[in-house]
Amino acid sequence: AQTVTQSQPEMSVQEAETVTLSCTYDTSENNYYLFWYKQPPSRQMILVIRQEAYKQQNATENRFSVNFQKAAKSFSLKISDSQLGDTAMYFCAFMTPNFNKFYFGSGTKLNVKP
Amino acid sequence: GAVVSQHPSRVICKSGTSVKIECRSLDFQATTMFWYRQFPKQSLMLMATSNEGSKATYEQGVEKDKFLINHASLTLSTLTVTSAHPEDSSFYICSARPVATNEKLFFGSGTQLSVL
Repeated sequence: AQTVTQSQPEMSVQEAETVTLSCTYDTSENNYYLFWYKQPPSRQMILVIRQEAYKQQNATENRFSVNFQKAAKSFSLKISDSQLGDTAMYFCAFMTPNFNKFYFGSGTKLNVKP
Repeated sequence: GAVVSQHPSRVICKSGTSVKIECRSLDFQATTMFWYRQFPKQSLMLMATSNEGSKATYEQGVEKDKFLINHASLTLSTLTVTSAHPEDSSFYICSARPVATNEKLFFGSGTQLSVL
């Protein structure tokens, strides 16, 4: 079975600063997909970034980037130049290679302070 | 981007009644739809995976007779909470995986169920 662990229940960062959210996972699969989703107070799930496990290059999307360490089964999210609109719950997620399962971590509440 | 419509957004019902939640992919065909349950300030817990035309696969601990899932077409999946009780009160979210792009998921806006 796959598990996704987020060890930081809540984090704070000053506007314009950089913050890193941690995520580890456990799987016996070799090819899989990893994601970071954002859930604002509206509770709509918003895709932030995704990474294919077979790609060594870390994914980046504007201010968002990941540090994917496959051997360590680690998948952290770095948010640069934090903005007030980044305040939300952030969930790390894992999808099995056959696309039949999609599991979320427990989430990290990020507060961006002005 | 692709749109997943989930209805109703909020429902209040009496204990013992059944509630149906619909999840529709509006501009794409969905091979697979996932149903999640989210308690306040907690994560999304996968309840079941439904594939069009076949029986849903339920996660351990989820009562399949309690939470009936139907995926009759490539654009519609429904979750029916049967004989709802106050402990079933929760936020339910669906997500759909398009046929064309396997690894992408699109989420509905969720349904807040309150059972009195």
